[in-house]
Amino acid sequence: DTGVSQNPRHKITKRGQNVTFRCDPISEHNRLYWYRQTLGQGPEFLTYFQNEAQLEKSRLLSDRFSAERPKGSFSTLEIQRTEQGDSAMYLCASSRTGGAKNIQYFGAGTRLSVL
Amino acid sequence: AQTVTQSQPEMSVQEAETVTLSCTYDTSESDYYLFWYKQPPSRQMILVIRQEAYKQQNATENRFSVNFQKAAKSFSLKISDSQLGDAAMYFCAYRSSNDMRFGAGTRLTVKP
Repeated sequence: DTGVSQNPRHKITKRGQNVTFRCDPISEHNRLYWYRQTLGQGPEFLTYFQNEAQLEKSRLLSDRFSAERPKGSFSTLEIQRTEQGDSAMYLCASSRTGGAKNIQYFGAGTRLSVL
Repeated sequence: AQTVTQSQPEMSVQEAETVTLSCTYDTSESDYYLFWYKQPPSRQMILVIRQEAYKQQNATENRFSVNFQKAAKSFSLKISDSQLGDAAMYFCAYRSSNDMRFGAGTRLTVKP
């Protein structure tokens, strides 16, 4: 399967712990996006990379959140000192420039539960 | 800030009938893209259809078509011959060069 892959699918953690999620985009896609989705809402943009460069960060992305894409392939999203309000589905999407650009393909998401 | 509004939290349609989901958006940009995404329960979001703002012709993908009214900033999705597998959350989305926003979604139920 060459779609967008996210791991883990589910993560349960205690408040105050750090968590890290991984996203593997479609291999030829140079853009990678992170979103947060809470129950009953649409996805909210968090940040996006073009290759290894992080080009945009939403104001939603507090200092406790950090994302990396060290080699322009997979990306990680880390949340430090988790809070109950961080509980959500974290979605990753990828796209490519040129051709059918601006079409984002989504992964299945990582559901985070902070107890 | 750009906003995307889906005024119908829930919609219901009889199998084989037609349903239209509404979406309006607010933007000052002239160049942008609009999308409808489908998110089945516990499954990943998939693209249904997209529309480039510079194109006047409405996009069509098999049973799915849009009614794009640029002046009115309206982008509705029509699903013809509805099937049970169409049941899902549908999200309208807007993307410009520096922004990507989603509506809150419409939950579509298909009755057999």
